[in-house]
Amino acid sequence: EAGVTQSPTHLIKTRGQQATLRCSPISGHTSVYWYQQALGLGLQFLLWYDEGEERNRGNFPPRFSGRQFPNYSSELNVNALELEDSALYLCASSLGQGSYNEQFFGPGTRLTVL
Amino acid sequence: GDSVTQMEGPVTLSEEAFLTINCTYTATGYPSLFWYVQYPGEGLQLLLKATKADDKGSNKGFEATYRKETTSFHLEKGSVQVSDSAVYFCALSDPWSRDDKIIFGKGTRLHILP
Repeated sequence: EAGVTQSPTHLIKTRGQQATLRCSPISGHTSVYWYQQALGLGLQFLLWYDEGEERNRGNFPPRFSGRQFPNYSSELNVNALELEDSALYLCASSLGQGSYNEQFFGPGTRLTVL
Repeated sequence: GDSVTQMEGPVTLSEEAFLTINCTYTATGYPSLFWYVQYPGEGLQLLLKATKADDKGSNKGFEATYRKETTSFHLEKGSVQVSDSAVYFCALSDPWSRDDKIIFGKGTRLHILP
């Protein structure tokens, strides 16, 4: 069974540009989560989508947004990129709401903002 | 709010040494506790988990016991191998919260020398 996949693997942008990151969950999973792993800051929760709806977001500005498609894949958009947005962005999926449902992580997209 | 504190790294050990990585948590409810591992260039993998007090999670020779009285979930392994070199994250989630997010510690980098 395929795991969580993310694309692209690496993304290089300049300040002020927009970045789009993509995630495909494990088949049968309806929840998708986005996390930011910035150097020295550990993993920070960004967004949670379930059944096409945004259910929760972390403490990030509105220029971080996303959506979940009918096939449960998801996009993370970061507008007006800033240097400090450089990080590894991890996507995870689970069977649905409830923390007893284990979150499975993808390999991540490394975003570099120059 | 809920939080996780784990020992800072890097931790450097020789092969076959005993490993302990300390983790303590703060939570208002009764969280589930996790250890995740991130091997170089990869995403996160769930290493082990415990969902209630005195539960012991174990996997690949690693163990951690949910200690409610000391709010701790220390990771241990009796004899480490070079292949255990990775970053280890302690984490929690609150099954009664509607947030459905995982709160991570900052990670501990482990280097095992042959």
